[in-house]
Amino acid sequence: AQSVTQPDIHITVSEGASLELRCNYSYGATPYLFWYVQSPGQGLQLLLKYFSGDTLVQGIKGFEAEFKRSQSSFNLRKPSVHWSDAAEYFCAVGAEYGNKLVFGAGTILRVKS
Amino acid sequence: DTGVSQNPRHKITKRGQNVTFRCDPISEHNRLYWYRQTLGQGPEFLTYFQNEAQLEKSRLLSDRFSAERPKGSFSTLEIQRTEQGDSAMYLCASSLASGYSTDTQYFGPGTRLTVL
Repeated sequence: AQSVTQPDIHITVSEGASLELRCNYSYGATPYLFWYVQSPGQGLQLLLKYFSGDTLVQGIKGFEAEFKRSQSSFNLRKPSVHWSDAAEYFCAVGAEYGNKLVFGAGTILRVKS
Repeated sequence: DTGVSQNPRHKITKRGQNVTFRCDPISEHNRLYWYRQTLGQGPEFLTYFQNEAQLEKSRLLSDRFSAERPKGSFSTLEIQRTEQGDSAMYLCASSLASGYSTDTQYFGPGTRLTVL
């Protein structure tokens, strides 16, 4: 069965600084990987996804993520964080022949001015 | 494309009461999913439909939970005899997919249930 680990529960960065959120997955076959963002009391918004092809994927709001099969990782990055990026970020994995998503526990991002 | 909508957004109920939530997916999306999210956790899969057929149910979905998607459009999730442990955010998602491949799921704003 697939699983996702997000090692950092909370991260605080200064506005304008770079950001990297870590995600490690466990799945025996080709993973389908997603990053979602959730603002307090809201649903999840898709930031980006990896299905195949180029291992560096671009998403909305200036985010990107890199798939590294050898490290079973799919880390999310942003070169310059804005105060509006403060939210909770979830990494998820989907099975090739399944349809449910398995989510990590999330990383709460705080941005200080 | 108006996005996935869920009603109500908030529900407070007393233990033992029944509650029903509704989800309206993005039009033309053939798959609809329900997830549950408790405080400090990521969403956990409950069940999903392809058109009107319920194809998978999680072991989290006890006998008190039932979901329907009668005409392959909107879906309802009913919880009977609610317990305090049912307090959570219930998220609905929809996708347009064919075959058996994983697809991109778009989430609604959720229904927050509080059981007193």
